Amino acid sequence: DSGVTQTPKHLITATGQRVTLRCSPRSGDLSVYWYQQSLDQGLQFLIQYYNGEERAKGNILERFSAQQFPDLHSELNLSSLELGDSALYFCASSVGHRANTEAFFGQGTRLTVV
Amino acid sequence: DQQVKQNSPSLSVQEGRISILNCDYTNSMFDYFLWYKKYPAEGPTFLISISSIKDKNEDGRFTVFLNKSAKHLSLHIVPSQPGDSAVYFCAASGAGTASKLTFGTGTRLQVTL
Repeated sequence: DSGVTQTPKHLITATGQRVTLRCSPRSGDLSVYWYQQSLDQGLQFLIQYYNGEERAKGNILERFSAQQFPDLHSELNLSSLELGDSALYFCASSVGHRANTEAFFGQGTRLTVV
Repeated sequence: DQQVKQNSPSLSVQEGRISILNCDYTNSMFDYFLWYKKYPAEGPTFLISISSIKDKNEDGRFTVFLNKSAKHLSLHIVPSQPGDSAVYFCAASGAGTASKLTFGTGTRLQVTL
């Protein structure tokens, strides 16, 4: 158990819909990262929040947004969903804001868009 | 543009033998490299890392070697055990990209009896 909790574990939704993925970081961790893993692909960095502020942005689509709340949990919002958005979405957390600190990953949310 | 490449999608090794997983990178700004292991239905777990100021880091059965001139790193597992069967991801970070890890596509290692 990494201490990072992601909900839900599975999500099936239709094209055009909007979903929210939730992440609770490990106790004491200030950074939250979101990654997307599509079929046979590596993990693609989407966005990082550190202590409530957006810290870094990767290849995140404009239809996607995220935020980190005062209690440090984070949500990733995906809207106008397309079939190609089907993927595993991982959240990770770390103490510091640099990626070379060891990041702990949640079990992921498997999103299926039909 | 795949800045971190793991060219072998899969590798099969006998129990007790050495497993060598390879990773190449193209971005010369990367200065920190990590290996993660992933079991099915679980998130990746950190295995071992190496800074660019070193060329070797060892942790028990796991050793990572870094060849900066070749922009190549490798993970050695000796001896390999059935429980090592998993997908291994190489990741890198560096100046200008310090807030994110760039991952390779992974190598599936199967350790056979």
